[in-house]
Amino acid sequence: DTGVSQDPRHKITKRGQNVTFRCDPISEHNRLYWYRQTLGQGPEFLTYFQNEAQLEKSRLLSDRFSAERPKGSFSTLEIQRTEQGDSAMYLCASTSGTQETQYFGPGTRLLVL
Amino acid sequence: DQQVKQNSPSLSVQEGRISILNCDYTNSMFDYFLWYKKYPAEGPTFLISISSIKDKNEDGRFTVFLNKSAKHLSLHIVPSQPGDSAVYFCAASYTTSGTYKYIFGTGTRLKVLA
Repeated sequence: DTGVSQDPRHKITKRGQNVTFRCDPISEHNRLYWYRQTLGQGPEFLTYFQNEAQLEKSRLLSDRFSAERPKGSFSTLEIQRTEQGDSAMYLCASTSGTQETQYFGPGTRLLVL
Repeated sequence: DQQVKQNSPSLSVQEGRISILNCDYTNSMFDYFLWYKKYPAEGPTFLISISSIKDKNEDGRFTVFLNKSAKHLSLHIVPSQPGDSAVYFCAASYTTSGTYKYIFGTGTRLKVLA
């Protein structure tokens, strides 16, 4: 299967701990997006990479959040000093430069206790 | 400011009948629209899309209609099947400064009754 993959699928952590999520996009896709989704809401944009360059970050992305895409392939999203309000589904999506359809991974569900 | 709105949080339809899911948008810069289906604990799955230069796109049981003047799009599912029961998200996209932006609605939960 060559779809978008995310790891882990589930993460439970205690408040104040750091967590890191990984996303592997579809191999030929140069654009990668991170979203956060909470209950009753649609995906909310967090940040966007074109190749290895992080081109935009949402105001939702506080300074506790950082994302990287070091070689223009996989990406990581780190949350430092987690808070209960960070509990959500974190989604990754990718698309190529020649189309506008985004394809999503299965998501990482984070629960902060 | 909710630029993409799905005003019906839920919809129930009898199996075999038509399901119509609606979406309204406010930003005239949107030029590409997508529908996604989402099951619990999974990521959204792409269903169908439409460019702003078209007013209709069809793929099997799924048809998307776009009314640019009304800033409205709809997804028709005919005939509806129990496996279509899921949350459906409408998304709109535009390009600014070389960045592709996607805005999602809040979703409509469809229940298809057997």
